[in-house]
Amino acid sequence: EAQVTQNPRYLITVTGKKLTVTCSQNMNHEYMSWYRQDPGLGLRQIYYSMNVEVTDKGDVPEGYKVSRKEKRNFPLILESPSPNQTSLYFCASSKWGEQEARSTQYFGPGTRLLVL
Amino acid sequence: TQLLEQSPQFLSIQEGENLTVYCNSSSVFSSLQWYRQEPGEGPVLLVTVVTGGEVKKLKRLTFQFGDARKDSSLHITAAQPGDTGLYLCAGGFKTIFGAGTRLFVKA
Repeated sequence: EAQVTQNPRYLITVTGKKLTVTCSQNMNHEYMSWYRQDPGLGLRQIYYSMNVEVTDKGDVPEGYKVSRKEKRNFPLILESPSPNQTSLYFCASSKWGEQEARSTQYFGPGTRLLVL
Repeated sequence: TQLLEQSPQFLSIQEGENLTVYCNSSSVFSSLQWYRQEPGEGPVLLVTVVTGGEVKKLKRLTFQFGDARKDSSLHITAAQPGDTGLYLCAGGFKTIFGAGTRLFVKA
């Protein structure tokens, strides 16, 4: 089954304790991205990657890191989480090519993070 | 900076009513996408509109892309409780999203 998986689905942590949220896709997609979703703000892109070893900042990258060492994985790293990073996080993937603007993005189930 | 504004933010209607959700911008988009998101899940793509003036239908849902490719609308005919959810429009190279329209259809 084609899917995007995220782990963990729920996480409660404390300020300053490094954490990683994993994302994996089995569709051989080139493009992967991370979003955070907050009430009234919709989804905002944190980082995106167009292929292995190619990453770039989205609209709200501060406080986050990513890496793309393999095509299927795109982990999100919070080196020193703060309460304002409490949010619902989504990973997504899609094909990337000539019609990149029209490619369907497949979203993971989300990771709900609470930073105390 | 590209922005997408959706209206209304919240809509509560009776089963059988019609409704329209709007997605507006001052920027031109090469395409716009509409997603639907249910609680506890990620957004799922409903449709992509590409050509100015384009109209696409998905059962009781009709999507239209503005002639100038700056806006789009989603019209639902005879809404059903199963249409309840958060509807999001999106577009752009880095895929920006509107804040969404939360629809609740009462039986």
